[in-house]
This record gives sequence, structure tokens and C-alpha cells, in this order.
Amino acid sequence: GAVVSQHPSWVICKSGTSVKIECRSLDFQATTMFWYRQFPKQSLMLMATSNEGSKATYEQGVEKDKFLINHASLTLSTLTVTSAHPEDSSFYICSARNTAGRMYNEQFFGPGTRLTVL
Amino acid sequence: AQKITQTQPGMFVQEKEAVTLDCTYDTSDPSYGLFWYKQPSSGEMIFLIYQGSYDQQNATEGRYSLNFQKARKSANLVISASQLGDSAMYFCAMRESLSGAGSYQLTFGKGTKLSVIP
Repeated sequence: GAVVSQHPSWVICKSGTSVKIECRSLDFQATTMFWYRQFPKQSLMLMATSNEGSKATYEQGVEKDKFLINHASLTLSTLTVTSAHPEDSSFYICSARNTAGRMYNEQFFGPGTRLTVL
Repeated sequence: AQKITQTQPGMFVQEKEAVTLDCTYDTSDPSYGLFWYKQPSSGEMIFLIYQGSYDQQNATEGRYSLNFQKARKSANLVISASQLGDSAMYFCAMRESLSGAGSYQLTFGKGTKLSVIP
């Protein structure tokens, strides 16, 4: 099956610093990637949809200037949390859409990145 | 109104017994897909099973089956012969607008924590 990686798997940073999270589709091309945030014991909440070569589409309530998304190639999307604060501490998960896949297996999730802001 | 409702925050099942996890959904779109994912404590989202709105038969994948009742808008997950490794969070998700130029987004329910008792 298709594999999606995320790097780093976990990161601890000081308040005010910026953190970049990478999402890569390893064996397929993904024109669309999704970024989710999951707080402890809660569901996945979609933050933004990342389209290769164009601006990301952000969900209501998500600050585009704080969560910068870049999808510069068909296999890589990055999420940068700028000026991170403790309330940004969360589990960030990306998924990538395999356009060559069938509906039931077209979206693949990365293993997630756990961000802790001190 | 919530698009995906999982009414069971937590469930317990004896090892080797079957368990049903409930999921109801709300959509006016005639074309949609329903997914179930497993999320162990490590955080990765593991795809389990998929049901399309036009599928005539209930989906099955090994020990997983989906009890799809379209008129009632329910898509319950049945796990047969529970194993200790089945202990995890389980999320029901929906994608709407399958036939159109949809955004391919998944909307998740709040999840059910399943605990398998030896």
C-alpha cells in the first residue's frame, strides 16, 4: 500500500519559535494533502487542504498566517507553526490523496507529529 | 448538526467476543463514502473498511464488517472475535460529493475507545 511519512515524529520547542513539519508521499504522487490537528482524547479536525502548486485552503477558524502550508512538489507538503505557543501543542497528522487509487483507498495518513510547546 | 455521530465514548468487550461500534451520519448528498479507521495509542490512523453509498452489499474485510443501513443513515462497525490488539480508538468518517469535483475531505466522528478484556 501507499506510504506517507511525517518528520519529525515528535518535537519539543520553546514558546515563540517556529516549527516545520514535513509530510511526504513515498511511493505515489499526491496533488492534494490534508493537515489535521488532534487534541488529546478528541477527534481529528481538518485544518487545511494543501494543493500542489497553489495556495492552501484553510478551514474556518484556522489562522493562515500562523499555520503556513507549502505544497511545492507532488510528494511533499510542509506545515510551519509560526511563533508557537503552548496552546498549539497537539498531534498533527497529514494525509495524502492518491489520485491513482480507488475511492476506498485513496487517502493515506502519515504517522503524525506530536508537538509540545514549552 | 454533526455530520458524523459516534454515541459511544467507550466500549468494553471480552476477548474473542464480537462488538459493534455505532456510527450515524447526516448528509443530503446521494453520493458519499463511509470509512472506519483505527487509531492505536501510537497515533497512526489505520484504514479498516469502506462503504460506498451505492454499494449493494455490506462491506467486509477479514474480522471487520460494516452494517450499512442507508435508510437509517447508520454505518456500524462490527469486529468479530476481538483480540487484545484491537484495543484502540475507532473513528467513523465520511466523504461527500463523490461524483462531483468535491474537496475529498473526510469528516470524522468523535471516536469510540474500545478496550478488549482478556
